[in-house]
Amino acid sequence: GAGVSQSPSNKVTEKGKDVELRCDPISGHTALYWYRQRLGQGLEFLIYFQGNSAPDKSGLPSDRFSAERTGESVSTLTIQRTQQEDSAVYLCASSPRATGELFFGEGSRLTVL
Amino acid sequence: AQKITQTQPGMFVQEKEAVTLDCTYDTSDPSYGLFWYKQPSSGEMIFLIYQGSYDQQNATEGRYSLNFQKARKSANLVISASQLGDSAMYFCAMRGGLNTGGFKTIFGAGTRLFVKA
Repeated sequence: GAGVSQSPSNKVTEKGKDVELRCDPISGHTALYWYRQRLGQGLEFLIYFQGNSAPDKSGLPSDRFSAERTGESVSTLTIQRTQQEDSAVYLCASSPRATGELFFGEGSRLTVL
Repeated sequence: AQKITQTQPGMFVQEKEAVTLDCTYDTSDPSYGLFWYKQPSSGEMIFLIYQGSYDQQNATEGRYSLNFQKARKSANLVISASQLGDSAMYFCAMRGGLNTGGFKTIFGAGTRLFVKA
């Protein structure tokens, strides 16, 4: 499809395990974002990639969170040693330019038991 | 730093009436963008409307219009002729500029809109 693709759509893990979430942006989109949305809450900015510039990691809540993106393609968000408070929907979005509107994926729902 | 504030956690509107959802923002950038997104109960995020800080006219998209008052730093969303399908969460968002460290987009806490038949 032509939209932003995220996988897995659902992930249940045990406290202390590492998880990896994947985002495949729309082809040609230079900007890519990760957000966290807890139940009934707003979108919490995590990290922003723009082309080949250094990513803006100012929203990552702790050093257990990291993200990578190769060029203008796939991104992975890694959460190490998961905690129950990491349970949320993780949304990825991409944009054709730094100043454009965001196109969102359907999210990855993470549940930490 | 950038900040977006939505002070209405929930709003009710009668079907076919207009409703205004409030949004205020703060930034030191002279150039910025303001967005509204809709999130139905299905969870998808839908882009509604955009206003650039230098745009002279208020943005409009069908039944959506953005009441942009730059001096007051407000960017309220007006939905005219509400429909039952408008019931959803609505998020105001701001894309900053170089003064605030880049073009990242941040979101407000959201307003849940309920349209009554």
